[in-house]
Amino acid sequence: QKEVEQNSGPLSVPEGAIASLNCTYSDRGSQSFFWYRQYSGKSPELIMFIYSNGDKEDGRFTAQLNKASQYVSLLIRDSQPSDSATYLCAVNYRAGAQKLVFGQGTRLTINP
Amino acid sequence: KAGVTQTPRYLIKTRGQQVTLSCSPISGHRSVSWYQQTPGQGLQFLFEYFSETQRNKGNFPGRFSGRQFSNSRSEMNVSTLELGDSALYLCASSLVPRVYDTQYFGPGTRLTVL
Repeated sequence: QKEVEQNSGPLSVPEGAIASLNCTYSDRGSQSFFWYRQYSGKSPELIMFIYSNGDKEDGRFTAQLNKASQYVSLLIRDSQPSDSATYLCAVNYRAGAQKLVFGQGTRLTINP
Repeated sequence: KAGVTQTPRYLIKTRGQQVTLSCSPISGHRSVSWYQQTPGQGLQFLFEYFSETQRNKGNFPGRFSGRQFSNSRSEMNVSTLELGDSALYLCASSLVPRVYDTQYFGPGTRLTVL
């Protein structure tokens, strides 16, 4: 059973601080990793994707991947109240497929 | 470019009925995947279609089925509805079913089974 684990939170961070979201996965053959943001009552919205070990930055967001430790994280710098949402980590294990396995999500609250 | 569209957005059905949900992918996208989201189980993969063929299927009973048309639009069907089928059903599209391709989600269909 392929598993993706996230801390369900809630994670509370003051405005302007760095929010750190973590995710671990069980299968070493995992090939692509995605972070989605989901506001209450809405569908998931892609934030970042990462395929290679190391860091990938996009604006205030940085995704970090460590395949040896089977760990992927998302950092949000200068957190804003609008960043308050559930963040979903998703992993695609299978070559030639579009079959994402999702973690349960981390609920993030940014306090003004 | 228009995003993924799903119809209807909301549905209320009773136990034992069947339901058909529709998904139109982003223009040019040929791979469509379906997911079920519930508070207890989170987001779970249902099935994936490409070139009118089901390529992968999740761990759901045979009451859940789907198909894809030549224009890449997809439908999913749930027969003999159960209370536990109440969920948000999400469709996601990507260009082709490569592991590095990004899936973009539609707004979802909220199904309530009474």
